[in-house]
Amino acid sequence: AQTVTQSQPEMSVQEAETVTLSCTYDTSESDYYLFWYKQPPSRQMILVIRQEAYKQQNATENRFSVNFQKAAKSFSLKISDSQLGDAAMYFCAYSTSGTYKYIFGTGTRLKVLA
Amino acid sequence: EAEVAQSPRYKITEKSQAVAFWCDPISGHATLYWYRQILGQGPELLVQFQDESVVDDSQLPKDRFSAERLKGVDSTLKIQPAELGDSAMYLCASSPYRRVTGELFFGEGSRLTVL
Repeated sequence: AQTVTQSQPEMSVQEAETVTLSCTYDTSESDYYLFWYKQPPSRQMILVIRQEAYKQQNATENRFSVNFQKAAKSFSLKISDSQLGDAAMYFCAYSTSGTYKYIFGTGTRLKVLA
Repeated sequence: EAEVAQSPRYKITEKSQAVAFWCDPISGHATLYWYRQILGQGPELLVQFQDESVVDDSQLPKDRFSAERLKGVDSTLKIQPAELGDSAMYLCASSPYRRVTGELFFGEGSRLTVL
């Protein structure tokens, strides 16, 4: 069964600094997709970044980038120049068309300190 | 900007009562998901629809939960009877993609408290 693990329940970062959130996953599929979602307090969840497993190049979206290590089944999110608005729960997610599953990790709460 | 609509936003009910949640996905989105999110945890998939058909309901407690998506547009999730352990946020999400490879668009959720 596919699983997604986020081992950091909570992280803190100073404003303008860089932070990395960790995610590992387990799958026997070869065709899959990985995502990071952000859930601000009392707001809906939104997509931050997406990575196709068949692409070796790491995805980047402005201040957000990933480190995708396929062999290690690791998918970490790096947030550069952290801003107060980055404070939220961050969820790592996995999907594969092979089983129609779209599953989420337990989340990491990110605090940004002024 | 189109959004996923959910109602009610908050629901307080007593144990053994029936409760229903409604979701209206973004127009044209073929795939619709219901997730349950217990406070401090990640979303857990309850049921997934492709148009009006159930694709996956393996984690739906079918003795008390039911879900439907008539005409492949809006959807209703029902709990009967509600139990204390059902207290959670119920999230609806939709996607324009039939393959689960793209972005999910989430509603703001329906928070259920069972007393």
